[in-house]
Amino acid sequence: AQSVTQPDIHITVSEGASLELRCNYSYGATPYLFWYVQSPGQGLQLLLKYFSGDTLVQGIKGFEAEFKRSQSSFNLRKPSVHWSDAAEYFCAVGARGGGNKLTFGTGTQLKVEL
Amino acid sequence: NAGVMQNPRHLVRRRGQEARLRCSPMKGHSHVYWYRQLPEEGLKFMVYLQKENIIDESGMPKERFSAEFPKEGPSILRIQQVVRGDSAAYFCASSPDRGHSPLHFGNGTRLTVT
Repeated sequence: AQSVTQPDIHITVSEGASLELRCNYSYGATPYLFWYVQSPGQGLQLLLKYFSGDTLVQGIKGFEAEFKRSQSSFNLRKPSVHWSDAAEYFCAVGARGGGNKLTFGTGTQLKVEL
Repeated sequence: NAGVMQNPRHLVRRRGQEARLRCSPMKGHSHVYWYRQLPEEGLKFMVYLQKENIIDESGMPKERFSAEFPKEGPSILRIQQVVRGDSAAYFCASSPDRGHSPLHFGNGTRLTVT
């Protein structure tokens, strides 16, 4: 069975600082990987996804993520955080052929200090 | 608003009552997913439906929970005889096909069982 671990429950960064959110997955083959963001009281919005090809994936809002098969990781990065990035971030894994039946991590709550 | 519409946003039920959650997918989307988010946890897959068909209900509790997506009208998630442990945020998401087209999430229904 597939699983996702987000080891950091809370992260606080200063505005303008760089950000890296960690995600480790467990899956028997090459997975589909996703990062979603959830603002308070809202649904989830897709930031980026990895299916195949280039292991460095660019997403919306200046985010990127790198798939590292050897480390079973898919960490999310942003070079300079904005106050509006404060939200909860979820990493998710999907099985090939499994459509949008995704397994989510428990999320990382990002706080941005001005 | 052409997004995924869920209602009600908040629902309070006493133990033993029925809860009925509605989801209208994005225009042109015929695939609906329901996810549940318990406090301090990530989203858990419940069920995947296409118009008039349940495709995958492997995440649904065996008792009290049911889902439908009729030919006309919204998708309905029904919880009978609710218990306190059913208190959670229930998210609906839609996609245009069975593959990995990005999921569009609604803002969720927050169910509180008293």
